Amino acid sequence: NAGVTQTPKFRVLKTGQSMTLLCAQDMNHEYMYWYRQDPGMGLRLIHYSVGEGTTAKGEVPDGYNVSRLKKQNFLLGLESAAPSQTSVYFCASTKGTSGGSGNEQFFGPGTRLTVL
Amino acid sequence: AQSVTQLDSHVSVSEGTPVLLRCNYSSSYSPSLFWYVQHPNKGLQLLLKYTSAATLVKGINGFEAEFKKSETSFHLTKPSAHMSDAAEYFCVVSEGGGSYIPTFGRGTSLIVHP
Repeated sequence: NAGVTQTPKFRVLKTGQSMTLLCAQDMNHEYMYWYRQDPGMGLRLIHYSVGEGTTAKGEVPDGYNVSRLKKQNFLLGLESAAPSQTSVYFCASTKGTSGGSGNEQFFGPGTRLTVL
Repeated sequence: AQSVTQLDSHVSVSEGTPVLLRCNYSSSYSPSLFWYVQHPNKGLQLLLKYTSAATLVKGINGFEAEFKKSETSFHLTKPSAHMSDAAEYFCVVSEGGGSYIPTFGRGTSLIVHP
């Protein structure tokens, strides 16, 4: 089991450029999440998905889009990158059931994005 | 609605002394509560979780936490700090009721002095 993987690990963009971050999980989890982490702010939820083909906005969705065409993949897109989007991005997944480890989140290793 | 407050942004201890990281929560349902640890430039790893079973929860690396409903607290403790415990710690609440959208605290940075 690879768990949750993210690509790329690092990326530098210029303002206005676009990019897509890929998250993949091999645990057959229903829920997937994208977070950004900034110093002193904890993890803030950007978008999430409760199953294949569904997406929903989190706390800080502006400037980002997501897609979940396959259950195992959750893509985060930046259409026109801005310096304020410089951050570390984490993907997570959870089974989404009560009991046992059903609501435990599993995290990817993160993507460090710098927008110049 | 759910929320979580980590009462200290930084905690500094000496190696071999006890660790206390404080967390208060708010939830409309019977919540699940978690502590995650993040070492520098790494992802998040689950330390322990409370899901309505025993109120004293034991986790990895000697950490434990006690769920106190009357105080709406879930403080993380360890009897004796080790240098390798230096990291960022996050308290997380997930209030259930069919929702699996957790809320994270802002984190507590644990500094361990030799």
